[in-house]
Amino acid sequence: QSVLTQPPSVSAAPGQEVTISCSGGSSNIGNNFVSWYQHLPGTAPKLLIYDNNKRPSGIPDRFSGSKSGTSATLAITGLQTGDEADYYCGTWDTSLSAYVFGTGTKVTVL
Amino acid sequence: QVQLVQFGAEVKKPGASVKLSCKTSGYTFSSNAISWVRQAPGQESEWMGWIDPNTGDTNYAQKLQGRITMTTETSTSTVYMELRSLRSDDTAMYYCARRRCSGTCYSGASLDYWGQGTLVTVSS
Repeated sequence: QSVLTQPPSVSAAPGQEVTISCSGGSSNIGNNFVSWYQHLPGTAPKLLIYDNNKRPSGIPDRFSGSKSGTSATLAITGLQTGDEADYYCGTWDTSLSAYVFGTGTKVTVL
Repeated sequence: QVQLVQFGAEVKKPGASVKLSCKTSGYTFSSNAISWVRQAPGQESEWMGWIDPNTGDTNYAQKLQGRITMTTETSTSTVYMELRSLRSDDTAMYYCARRRCSGTCYSGASLDYWGQGTLVTVSS
């Protein structure tokens, strides 16, 4: 059972914005950097955000991350059909001495 | 470009072992640790551990201690993960991923390149 909680699903129309929350605690999000991953079934997962809010090269600025206290948020603006995927947050958990992932959120473009 | 290549699928009986490979290219092999992550059908992703090719140091998830071994082969830039005493709940897609570090390699860890995954099915 994951220590990082995400909503199971979010949806919006093309061009709209969705936000995905990731709730944790002081041993994980509260004191460590958060990353976000996009996973389309049958493909390799992709790093979208690292260090809470940084984008790797090639990731469009439609994707943005933020962190406040023990929660983190991924925002996707200008939603496209190609954004339909599962999204996971991840971070190091100091108490568990393990890298932990969120429960995952399925994004649907209506 | 950075690539992590994993092959196909494995079918194993309960109690058997499986050894998966992850061949890397496009960067200096010793510069980044390689992590293994698995995802069972309908379940969350689970971090299994990582290995630093530069030092050989490993850090395994506590629940897998005693059943898992990660090794490297520098000549081919390949990382291996062996899981023993397989059970049905080990059925999952297994991914390797390169670890990047911001500051420390724990609080600042992220997984920046991933392989395509190897499906392991454990069934009698």
